[in-house]
Amino acid sequence: AQSVTQLDSQVPVFEEAPVELRCNYSSSVSVYLFWYVQYPNQGLQLLLKYLSGSTLVESINGFEAEFNKSQTSFHLRKPSVHISDTAEYFCAVSDVDTGTASKLTFGTGTRLQVTL
Amino acid sequence: KAGVTQTPRYLIKTRGQQVTLSCSPISGHRSVSWYQQTPGQGLQFLFEYFSETQRNKGNFPGRFSGRQFSNSRSEMNVSTLELGDSALYLCASSLQGLAYNEQFFGPGTRLTVL
Repeated sequence: AQSVTQLDSQVPVFEEAPVELRCNYSSSVSVYLFWYVQYPNQGLQLLLKYLSGSTLVESINGFEAEFNKSQTSFHLRKPSVHISDTAEYFCAVSDVDTGTASKLTFGTGTRLQVTL
Repeated sequence: KAGVTQTPRYLIKTRGQQVTLSCSPISGHRSVSWYQQTPGQGLQFLFEYFSETQRNKGNFPGRFSGRQFSNSRSEMNVSTLELGDSALYLCASSLQGLAYNEQFFGPGTRLTVL
């Protein structure tokens, strides 16, 4: 079984400030890691994912996340946030070993609130 | 390319009734997954269908069921509705339903049970 922990339920930050959203996971097998973003009244959109290779992955809108196997973490960072980044962010994992299983286990989400 | 569509977007039902939600995946996608999102439990996996077969199922009671048609469209049904079934139900599609495939989510159906 897997679990994902997002310790911060809310993160308030001023515009242009840096931000880090924390994600830790627990799994007895290898996992793929994902960050999804949910804007108000919308579904989830994939922000970035780690499958293999370089442990640092980047999104097209300036977010990055680093996979740390020893700490079982996949924290999301952005050096300078914008008002439009205000949203709910979900960390998720899927089990590598199940092969065909399209099952995501999500964290409880972190609400990023960017203000002027 | 059209995204994942879900109908209806909003639904109000009373306890004891049943409800059917529909999901049309992105063209060419053969896997459809369903998730329940609530403030208390967060996002929880319901089930996944691939080529009209249920391949994976979450920990939900038998009142929750689904099916997939030959055109990959999917429906989920909840019978004997309970107040606790009030939630946002999200559908996601992916090409093959493999663990590393990106899942594309629809806007969801918000179900309110009175």
